[in-house]
Formats: sequence, C-alpha cells, structure tokens
Amino acid sequence: KAGVTQTPRYLIKTRGQQVTLSCSPISGHRSVSWYQQTPGQGLQFLFEYFSETQRNKGNFPGRFSGRQFSNSRSEMNVSTLELGDSALYLCASAKDSFNEQFFGPGTRLTVL
Amino acid sequence: ILNVEQSPQSLHVQEGDSTNFTCSFPSSNFYALHWYRWETAKSPEALFVMTLNGDEKKKGRISATLNTKEGYSYLYIKGSQPEDSATYLCAFKTGGYNKLIFGAGTRLAVHP
Repeated sequence: KAGVTQTPRYLIKTRGQQVTLSCSPISGHRSVSWYQQTPGQGLQFLFEYFSETQRNKGNFPGRFSGRQFSNSRSEMNVSTLELGDSALYLCASAKDSFNEQFFGPGTRLTVL
Repeated sequence: ILNVEQSPQSLHVQEGDSTNFTCSFPSSNFYALHWYRWETAKSPEALFVMTLNGDEKKKGRISATLNTKEGYSYLYIKGSQPEDSATYLCAFKTGGYNKLIFGAGTRLAVHP
C-alpha cells in the first residue's frame, strides 16, 4: 500500500512570490491535514480537509489556503511569501476522525 | 490556548537501558492522545492512538499508558537499541476532527 506522497520535496522561493504544495493521501483516506514545522514552534496545525470541505483551521494568516479535490488529493497555497514561511510542511492522511494519521515526507520550503 | 508539554527535552542513554518520557495535556475536552516516532529525514511514524483513561498499549519493546483524569501519558522503551534513536512526539486531540496539537518532542539518543 503506497504511503502519503508530497511534491515537491524541496522548494526555494523569494519573498513576495506564491507557492503551491501538493499532497496525495493513502488510497481510501478522505481526510488530509497540513502542518508546519519550524525550529522554534514545532509542529503547528494549518488546516484539515475532509471530502473536499475544510473542517478545521489553525491560527495562520489568510495567506495560507488549501483545497481538496474529489480524489482526496490536496493542495496548499501560500501567497506573498515571507521569510518566516521557511519551514517543513507536512501533510497527513486518515480514513476518518477515529484512526491514526499517516504523515508524508514533507516539503522543505526556503524563502529567500 | 491548549498546551501539550513533553519532558525531558532530550535524553541520552546506553544501549540496553530502559527509559520513559512524559506527555502532559489538558484534562478537559479530551478526545485522543497520539504518539509518534520521528527519525531524521523520515516521515513521523504513528506508534499509538489512545482514547480511554487507563489505556495501556504495547508495540514490541515500546509501551504507553494514559491518564485522562490528570492529563498525562507515559511512553516506555524497554532495552533501548540504537535504532530507537529518534524524536518522540505526543499529540493531543480535543474534538472529532483531525486537528492534532503537538508537544515539542523528546529527542532520544541511544549510544552503543
């Protein structure tokens, strides 16, 4: 069974640009959650999508947005990049709310 | 603000030692407690999902207990091996959605 995949794995952008990250969940999983990891803050919840609907959102500015497609694949978009957006972005998929979440390898974003 | 705390921050042990870590979380509005192992350059790996007060779970040499009334969980590793070296994260879930609130983690180094 294939695991959670994320593309791209590494990304370098400059301030002011925008970026789109992609996450493909495990087959059959309808929930996709996104997390940001920075050295000072640890893993912080961004948002969760379930069956194409955003169910929950963390405390991040509106520059962070996402969506989920009918095949459960999810994208996360960050507009007007700031230096502080440099982080590892992880997505996790789950069958539903009662089971464990499986994490992908992450996308390392560097903003210059 | 929901706070999840883990102690110690880091731990160095010799191969064969047994060790344990603590995760403290709010005792109100508890839904589930997740434990993950995160090795460098890999995806976080789910260890346990714990939901009931008094739960005890075991996977090989690793076990965990849960006390929801007082808001803590212990993770035990019996006979540590170098391959157990990783960061161990706990994450608290307060509702029916897949939003995990992570602790900062305990970094374990097992020396041969």
